[in-house]
Amino acid sequence: GQNIDQPTEMTATEGAIVQINCTYQTSGFNGLFWYQQHAGEAPTFLSYNVLDGLEEKGRFSSFLSRSKGYSYLLLKELQMKDSASYLCAVMTTDSWGKLQFGAGTQVVVTP
Amino acid sequence: DGGITQSPKYLFRKEGQNVTLSCEQNLNHDAMYWYRQDPGQGLRLIYYSQIVNDFQKGDIAEGYSVSREKKESFPLTVTSAQKNPTAFYLCASSTGNRGSGELFFGEGSRLTVL
Repeated sequence: GQNIDQPTEMTATEGAIVQINCTYQTSGFNGLFWYQQHAGEAPTFLSYNVLDGLEEKGRFSSFLSRSKGYSYLLLKELQMKDSASYLCAVMTTDSWGKLQFGAGTQVVVTP
Repeated sequence: DGGITQSPKYLFRKEGQNVTLSCEQNLNHDAMYWYRQDPGQGLRLIYYSQIVNDFQKGDIAEGYSVSREKKESFPLTVTSAQKNPTAFYLCASSTGNRGSGELFFGEGSRLTVL
């Protein structure tokens, strides 16, 4: 099985930076995804990392270290609309497209 | 526009009743999935289908059933055997190719058992 751990909640001020960590334990790692989910809505895709390093996409960046079983999602220049749950999900080589999700990190952006 | 459509968005059911949630996609994706989401928990996989006329149990399949008669459709039935069915249900699809696991989600169906 897979263990995927991420903090339950984080609070940050508008305009600031927040880093959401995700650690995982799995065999046959085949990629890590980050999704954003607003309350009562469907998750939307943010990023995908399969190789070590940083992937930057506008205000959001995602980092992966396969040897450490560790990823983070970096949100810069926080806006109120960034208040949401951020889901870390792992795919393994034996899962053929299935994702195993962490419990999600609720980010609260305050004025 | 291409996407995934779930219906109904909200559903109320009495105990002992079966209910079917609809999921339709026009993305021409081979793989489809049903996830359940409870407060404070991650998405948990109920059933998935990699191809028409084939489906597999996920982590929490007990009390649920599915069918995949058409590529576009993957309905989920919540049966009376499901002990705690009140939850938010999400349908998703993907191309199913290895290394291309991005999921596209429907808007979700919120089921409440009265």
